[in-house]
Order: sequence, then structure tokens, then C-alpha cells
Amino acid sequence: DAGITQSPRHKVTETGTPVTLRCHQTENHRYMYWYRQDPGHGLRLIHYSYGVKDTDKGEVSDGYSVSRSKTEDFLLTLESATSSQTSVYFCAISPDGFLYGYTFGSGTRLTVV
Amino acid sequence: QKEVEQNSGPLSVPEGAIASLNCTYSDRGSQSFFWYRQYSGKSPELIMSIYSNGDKEDGRFTAQLNKASQYVSLLIRDSQPSDSATYLCAVLPNAGGTSYGKLTFGQGTILTVHP
Repeated sequence: DAGITQSPRHKVTETGTPVTLRCHQTENHRYMYWYRQDPGHGLRLIHYSYGVKDTDKGEVSDGYSVSRSKTEDFLLTLESATSSQTSVYFCAISPDGFLYGYTFGSGTRLTVV
Repeated sequence: QKEVEQNSGPLSVPEGAIASLNCTYSDRGSQSFFWYRQYSGKSPELIMSIYSNGDKEDGRFTAQLNKASQYVSLLIRDSQPSDSATYLCAVLPNAGGTSYGKLTFGQGTILTVHP
């Protein structure tokens, strides 16, 4: 979707290295989310943001941190990547967190070797 | 008990038939309900939202919500091969007014429409 972009689209990294995924939106939406999608687990919330510098943990936040210094950017960092963090990561945005649901980015396929 | 449950399928229907996808949820106070479609290798896209008991129709899609029974369903009429995808049910739980829009997703139902 043109209003939300994720980068990189694909990444292979080594165990123990830090990795940062970027989500950029042009919709000026307040709410931003990071999910991971794994077979057998579906989409699980990692972290979310409800405004600049306002972030909180989701259900699978261990090993991840986030930052949001501008409305348009939400960064997800894997502090020391592990093989269990091999996954597809989706960023999502929402204008109000209640009525409109999410618009998802195209996803980042991360492989930790 | 999973918060949002869907039959993983696969659900196979012939072209032109009605596909019926079901979802149950555990939080009785849940507020908003969404259906997303996800093609293989792609990101989920929103196709329906529903907030009140009853039916909501949009083209070939009908969402049905029954809060008393805690289920939400999606009907796809005149199914087409292009409808073949994974359908994700998502629920906004009741968090006392501070949910921040955190959706809980089911694992999805794989739908295959065969010609």
C-alpha cells in the first residue's frame, strides 16, 4: 500500500547481530503496530505505538525494542537476533484504533542463520 | 483457550458456491470485528468490519455478528477462484477504554475455490 512502506523487504542476518526494521507511513495515523506472522501462530503483536514517543509491549515483546521519534516512522529492533526470530514481520497503521482496522505494510521476511 | 479461534481448513468450495467462514472469540466485551484476506506471500488486507449484532453486506461479502454466542462469520457469495486465500478474523478486545486498537487475530482459514 502506498501509504505505508516497510524496509527492507528481505533480510538474512547472523545470530547475535542487531537488526532494525523500518516502517514508514504517509497517512499521519496515530497508531502503529509491529506483528510477526509464523505458521501455527498467526499474527502476534510485538509492540505498538499510540503517538510519538508513546510505545508499549505486545504479547511477544521479549528480544525486541521499538522507537517512534516521528509520527511517520516506527522502528523495530532485534537487539541480538536469534533463530527463533526468523519470521515475517508486518507493520500496521490505524487512524483511531477502534473503527477502521489496520492497513498493513508489505512485510519484511527476516531469516536469522 | 485461544482468544480468537478459526477452523484452519482448508475449506474447499466450487466456483459459484457460497463460502462460509467462522470465528469464535473468548472476550465477551469485544467491541470491533474485522475480516482480512491474505493471499500467499502478501500482506493482509481489510475486507469487512462489523460492530453491531446482525448482518453487514458489501458486494459479495456478508459479515455476521452474534455477540451473545460470541461468533462472527463471513459469507462469500458466488465464490471465484480469485477468492482463494487465507481469511483472518480479528477482534478488538474490551480493555476498559484503553485498548489502543490492539487486535487479536485468529490463525486464519485457508479457502480454496476450484473451477
